[in-house]
Amino acid sequence: AQSVTQLGSHVSVSEGALVLLRCNYSSSVPPYLFWYVQYPNQGLQLLLKYTTGATLVKGINGFEAEFKKSETSFHLTKPSAHMSDAAEYFCAVTLKGGGKLIFGQGTELSVKP
Amino acid sequence: EPEVTQTPSHQVTQMGQEVILRCVPISNHLYFYWYRQILGQKVEFLVSFYNNEISEKSEIFDDQFSVERPDGSNFTLKIRSTKLEDSAMYFCASSEARGVNNEQFFGPGTRLTVL
Repeated sequence: AQSVTQLGSHVSVSEGALVLLRCNYSSSVPPYLFWYVQYPNQGLQLLLKYTTGATLVKGINGFEAEFKKSETSFHLTKPSAHMSDAAEYFCAVTLKGGGKLIFGQGTELSVKP
Repeated sequence: EPEVTQTPSHQVTQMGQEVILRCVPISNHLYFYWYRQILGQKVEFLVSFYNNEISEKSEIFDDQFSVERPDGSNFTLKIRSTKLEDSAMYFCASSEARGVNNEQFFGPGTRLTVL
């Protein structure tokens, strides 16, 4: 069975600081991994995804994530936080055929001026 | 830009009552999904729907739940007799096709409160 664990339900960084949101997965087959972001009163929006190929994937708004099979991780990073990055971030996994997404519990990112 | 819409944004109901949550997926999408998030817990998959039938459902999606595409635009989730534990944020999503390269687009959610 597949599962996703996000370490830290709440992360706070200063504007301009590095953002690191952690995601570990468990899967018996090669996973397909996603990061979604949810701004207040909006739906979940896809930030980036890993399916095959290059393990470092770049997404929107300057975010990127690296798939590390040996560590079963897919951590999300951004070199310099902006106030507009404040939101909730969800890591998710699915099987090769697509379909249902299995989510982590979410991490709320706060950005301090 | 096309988006998934959901109504109402917040629904309050009494235990035992029926509720219908409504979603309008993106118009050319063929796959539809419902997820829910109980406060403080993970977003959980409920059901997927394609070609007017359920393609996959989770253990949560028992006989109290049903989905329907009553016309060419709406996709609904019905809970027949609500329980306190049904209180959650319910998200609708749609995708053009099923594979991993087909992004699921999510609506803003309906917050259901069962009293």
